[in-house]
Amino acid sequence: NAGVMQNPRHLVRRRGQEARLRCSPMKGHSHVYWYRQLPEEGLKFMVYLQKENIIDESGMPKERFSAEFPKEGPSILRIQQVVRGDSAAYFCASSLRQEPGNTIYFGEGSWLTVV
Amino acid sequence: GENVEQHPSTLSVQEGDSAVIKCTYSDSASNYFPWYKQELGKRPQLIIDIRSNVGEKKDQRIAVTLNKTAKHFSLHITETQPEDSAVYFCAASPYGYSTLTFGKGTMLLVSP
Repeated sequence: NAGVMQNPRHLVRRRGQEARLRCSPMKGHSHVYWYRQLPEEGLKFMVYLQKENIIDESGMPKERFSAEFPKEGPSILRIQQVVRGDSAAYFCASSLRQEPGNTIYFGEGSWLTVV
Repeated sequence: GENVEQHPSTLSVQEGDSAVIKCTYSDSASNYFPWYKQELGKRPQLIIDIRSNVGEKKDQRIAVTLNKTAKHFSLHITETQPEDSAVYFCAASPYGYSTLTFGKGTMLLVSP
């Protein structure tokens, strides 16, 4: 049973370019979460999605960032016009259900470097 | 929203000693408290969790305690080993949601 799969693992973008990060949840999981980890900091919640729906995007910056989880295919976190401050590790996680205590499994992360 | 404070930020112990990491949370509605271990360049991995209906949980060398009145919970690692060296994160989740609020992490270094 494959875990949460993220790609690319490492991504380098120049300022002003777009970054697209993909996440395939664990088999059978329909709840996807994106977290961002800045260097030497904890993980910050960005967005919670179910298939075709954004449930909670309270942690997502209002501009340049968007996320989707289409009916078919992986979830995508999109960052437009990247800036140096976007350099971070972006972790996707998935769970079977949406309730407290339901284990959240993390992917290996996508490391974005903006030069 | 929820706010989780974690202390200490770094912790150095000798192999075989115990290590304790403490967290406090602000939202009394939180009722799920997991702990994650993250090695350099790796994903966070769940090591133990506790729900608000229990005060303590143990799994081999790892234990977690919860004091809901004081809104704090702690991770205890006994007989530490060099492979325990990593960054440990506590987190809290409010009732009805699986989204987690994380502490800033504790870098644990176990010296042989």
